[in-house]
Amino acid sequence: AQKVTQAQTEISVVEKEDVTLDCVYETRDTTYYLFWYKQPPSGELVFLIRRNSFDEQNEISGRYSWNFQKSTSSFNFTITASQVVDSAVYFCALSEESAGNMLTFGGGTRLMVKP
Amino acid sequence: DAGVIQSPRHEVTEMGQEVTLRCKPISGHNSLFWYRQTMMRGLELLIYFNNNVPIDDSGMPEDRFSAKMPNASFSTLKIQPSEPRDSAVYFCASSARQVAGNTIYFGEGSWLTVV
Repeated sequence: AQKVTQAQTEISVVEKEDVTLDCVYETRDTTYYLFWYKQPPSGELVFLIRRNSFDEQNEISGRYSWNFQKSTSSFNFTITASQVVDSAVYFCALSEESAGNMLTFGGGTRLMVKP
Repeated sequence: DAGVIQSPRHEVTEMGQEVTLRCKPISGHNSLFWYRQTMMRGLELLIYFNNNVPIDDSGMPEDRFSAKMPNASFSTLKIQPSEPRDSAVYFCASSARQVAGNTIYFGEGSWLTVV
């Protein structure tokens, strides 16, 4: 079974729309960490956020916000008022205490923001 | 501060040739990772080192692949002989410690095409 599932392979929105990228994870560890990375068209992987399993507070950073819900094993990412520069592939990833600091990635969601 | 530095950024080689990818981790980081990204398999961990010692190489596809880390500031991933199916983006990444939840920072990737 996949440990990190990003069911949306591709999303297309028009600029200024809000968009939510879904991430569902699976682990038996009680201590684990969740990450989001952005891969713009230039190809590099850019770290966005890290969350540990004991902190379910939502986080907001500018137009970005993250909703962590242990009850549904989800760590969703919302972009408010999307911009063309947000166009990228976004990856959710899991690090389990039992696995050291290895990251397991989801399949990614390609977000296209049209002007 | 310099991030993870990879070279070459792009390489096109003929089947059967040896390919060497190079990586300089972030100074002071103790863990180094090699990931491969393909359309079919997404982001997969090939191998990771802690304090220059290979900890897990279970993701290395086959004997044609080898990785070394002779010192804390340099690592290589070698493919010999290369095959067209090795065409992918190879990412090197590093983190400060081998502890779950440590943020892993990625280089810009080496785009390999084997013809």
